[in-house]
Amino acid sequence: NAGVTQTPKFQVLKTGQSMTLQCAQDMNHNSMYWYRQDPGMGLRLIYYSASEGTTDKGEVPNGYNVSRLNKREFSLRLESAAPSQTSVYFCASSETQGVVTIYFGEGSWLTVV
Amino acid sequence: SQQGEEDPQALSIQEGENATMNCSYKTSINNLQWYRQNSGRGLVHLILIRSNEREKHSGRLRVTLDTSKKSSSLLITASRAADTASYFCATVLNSGYALNFGKGTSLLVTP
Repeated sequence: NAGVTQTPKFQVLKTGQSMTLQCAQDMNHNSMYWYRQDPGMGLRLIYYSASEGTTDKGEVPNGYNVSRLNKREFSLRLESAAPSQTSVYFCASSETQGVVTIYFGEGSWLTVV
Repeated sequence: SQQGEEDPQALSIQEGENATMNCSYKTSINNLQWYRQNSGRGLVHLILIRSNEREKHSGRLRVTLDTSKKSSSLLITASRAADTASYFCATVLNSGYALNFGKGTSLLVTP
């Protein structure tokens, strides 16, 4: 039981390049989330997926797209990376939305130069 | 915008001492949760307190919630060096779909 697994762990991109962060959970959770964490800013929600087949914007969605590929997988895509997207990205999941505990992956460190 | 704000931003204590962290939030909440993050790792859930609860315990953790003051506190008793981490409060709004996190309190426990 791995929980929430995200890849890659580390990535360096050049400005304008694209990449996809992959996330998978094996807890049969319905809801999944992508957060970014920046020094002094805490965690901010980028996108979430309440259930398979649905996605919605969070607090900071600009520059990102997501795909809920199936119940297990939720990917985050940067179409044209910018230095402002240098951050640590966390995928998370929960059984449902709302009054629940969410489970985090270990993070993906992304640097855009 | 972030809903919760932790205070202090950083806290340094010695092993055996108690550590208290506070969280203030702005609007009505459904519940409030505390998470811990070790350096370079993901966040781990510690405890959840619902809006109709005032106090909750889990091992060496004690959480209080005062909805009239829109604040919560996390007390770690008899701290250990292994408690060194960042601690975040997170709230679910009544209209909520996801957790909103504060900026965290960085706790250092020295032997």
